[in-house]
Amino acid sequence: AQSVTQLDSHVSVSEGTPVLLRCNYSSSYSPSLFWYVQHPNKGLQLLLKYTSAATLVKGINGFEAEFKKSETSFHLTKPSAHMSDAAEYFCVVSRTGFQKLVFGTGTRLLVSP
Amino acid sequence: GAVVSQHPSWVICKSGTSVKIECRSLDFQATTMFWYRQFPKQSLMLMATSNEGSKATYEQGVEKDKFLINHASLTLSTLTVTSAHPEDSSFYICSASSSAVVLNTEAFFGQGTRLTVV
Repeated sequence: AQSVTQLDSHVSVSEGTPVLLRCNYSSSYSPSLFWYVQHPNKGLQLLLKYTSAATLVKGINGFEAEFKKSETSFHLTKPSAHMSDAAEYFCVVSRTGFQKLVFGTGTRLLVSP
Repeated sequence: GAVVSQHPSWVICKSGTSVKIECRSLDFQATTMFWYRQFPKQSLMLMATSNEGSKATYEQGVEKDKFLINHASLTLSTLTVTSAHPEDSSFYICSASSSAVVLNTEAFFGQGTRLTVV
């Protein structure tokens, strides 16, 4: 079985400050891990993905995540938040690639001026 | 990039009627499509997986007769909510994947359909 725990339901930051969204996973297999972003009433956009290659994964819009097997974590970071980053972020795990994605409960990122 | 189009974006229907939602892959052949449901302020829950030309595989707890899924071609899957009730009101999202080498490491999502049953 696979599962994902997003440790914070809400994260608030000021524009220009770093962003950290935490995610821990559980998987009986070598997982594929993803971060998706969802703006209100919109579909999901893939930010980045880990599929057993480099453990530090760089994504779009300045986001990156590091796969740490020893900590079973895949935290999402960004050096400097922008107002347009305000959205819902989902950490996702799957057994192989894109099949049967298992979503975390989401973290709402709030960015204040 | 691969584009998935979902239609309609929003729909309001009366209790007891049926609603059909379409999910199309515009520039690739989707060998597998997935349907998710998202309740307000909650995560996405997989409802069913469909492969072209085959019956859909439903997740536990999803009523097959209520949520009819058809995947008749490699570019189109439909979800029909039959005899809709207010508790079916939700945000429904499809995603599509391809067996093509260049596309097979990602699922591509539609923009979602907000269904309101009154």
